[in-house]
Amino acid sequence: NAGVMQNPRHLVRRRGQEARLRCSPMKGHSHVYWYRQLPEEGLKFMVYLQKENIIDESGMPKERFSAEFPKEGPSILRIQQVVRGDSAAYFCASSPIRTLGEKLFFGSGTQLSVL
Amino acid sequence: SQQGEEDPQALSIQEGENATMNCSYKTSINNLQWYRQNSGRGLVHLILIRSNEREKHSGRLRVTLDTSKKSSSLLITASRAADTASYFCATDAIQGAQKLVFGQGTRLTINP
Repeated sequence: NAGVMQNPRHLVRRRGQEARLRCSPMKGHSHVYWYRQLPEEGLKFMVYLQKENIIDESGMPKERFSAEFPKEGPSILRIQQVVRGDSAAYFCASSPIRTLGEKLFFGSGTQLSVL
Repeated sequence: SQQGEEDPQALSIQEGENATMNCSYKTSINNLQWYRQNSGRGLVHLILIRSNEREKHSGRLRVTLDTSKKSSSLLITASRAADTASYFCATDAIQGAQKLVFGQGTRLTINP
C-alpha cells in the first residue's frame, strides 16, 4: 500500500507563472490536508478537503491560491501568478476518516522555488 | 491562536542521554500528537495522547499531558544518532476540530 504521493518533488517557477502541486492520498483515504512550511518553521495549515468538497480553507490566502480534490484523480493545490514569498515546502497529508484522534499520513512534500 | 509552541527551539545532546521537549498550547483540546520530521522529508506520526490521559509510552518515547497547564512533554530515552530530527507537537481543538495545528518544532541533534 503506497503512502501519500506528492509530485513534483521540486518545482521551480518564475514570478508570475502558475504552480500546480499534486497529491495522491493513501488508498482508502478520502480526507486530504495541505500544509505549508517555511525554512526552520512549523507547518501552517492551508486547507482541508474531502472528495469534491472543501471543508476548511481558513488557512488559504484569499487570492491566487486554490485547491481541489475531484471525485477521480489527485488533489491539486494551485498557485497562480507566483511571487517569491510563495517559495516554501508544501506538504499534503491524508487520513481515512475524520474522527477524534485521527493521525495524519504525510507525503514527502513539494519544494517550490520562485525565481 | 491554538498554535502550540515547542521549547526549546533547538537541543543538542550526546548519544545515550535523554532528550526532553516541551509543548504549550492555548485552547482546550481533544488530543495532542507528536510528529517527527527528518530533514527534507514529510512528518511521521509518533504518538497520540488524549485529553483524559496523563502519560503514555511507546518504546523509548514517553509523553505527558497536563491539561491544567496546557502543556505536554516528549521524552526520548537513551537517544541515538538516528533520533536527530525536528519534533513537532500538534493539537486537535475541541472547537472547530477540522485540522491539526502544529507548533514551531524542536530541532534535536544527537552527537555520536
